Amino acid sequence: AQSVAQPEDQVNVAEGNPLTVKCTYSVSGNPYLFWYVQYPNRGLQFLLKYITGDNLVKGSYGFEAEFNKSQTSFHLKKPSALVSDSALYFCAVRDRSSGSARQLTFGSGTQLTVLP
Amino acid sequence: NAGVTQTPKFQVLKTGQSMTLQCAQDMNHEYMSWYRQDPGMGLRLIHYSVGAGITDQGEVPNGYNVSRSTTEDFPLRLLSAAPSQTSVYFCASSYSVTPGGGNTIYFGEGSWLTVV
Repeated sequence: AQSVAQPEDQVNVAEGNPLTVKCTYSVSGNPYLFWYVQYPNRGLQFLLKYITGDNLVKGSYGFEAEFNKSQTSFHLKKPSALVSDSALYFCAVRDRSSGSARQLTFGSGTQLTVLP
Repeated sequence: NAGVTQTPKFQVLKTGQSMTLQCAQDMNHEYMSWYRQDPGMGLRLIHYSVGAGITDQGEVPNGYNVSRSTTEDFPLRLLSAAPSQTSVYFCASSYSVTPGGGNTIYFGEGSWLTVV
């Protein structure tokens, strides 16, 4: 079975400071990993994904994430937070070696608040 | 560039009523799915389809039906609405699940459903 954990329900950070939103995963094989962002009353927007190759993945709006296989983590980071980054962030995983229709499994989400 | 379009945006139902949430995508995606989002639980898969005429159950299928008569459309039917089905519903699509398990899933803007 595949699973993903976002250990923090809420992350607060001051504008201009670096931010980190944590994600750990569990799969039987190797993972595909995704980050999505959701603004109030909107759908989920794709930020970035890890498929293979470089462990540091760069995505939209200045976000990046680092795949760490030994720690089974895929933390989302941004060097300098903006107030407009305040939103709900979801990590998701799919087991690369699983069956033909294995679905994405989402974490419970982390609410990021950037304080001015 | 419409992407994934869901209707209605908001709906209030009485217990026992039935209704259909509509979903259409204009990206020629093979894979379509329905998720529900509940506070603190992330997104949970209801039903999915890997192509026209093919549907399957996800994690929480009870009380819902789907059909996929065309590539573009994937309606979700609530057979007899219950208060437990009060939720936000998201339709999503991607090119395929396999072999490209790393394909990005794109989401609609959501349908807010309240069952009273």
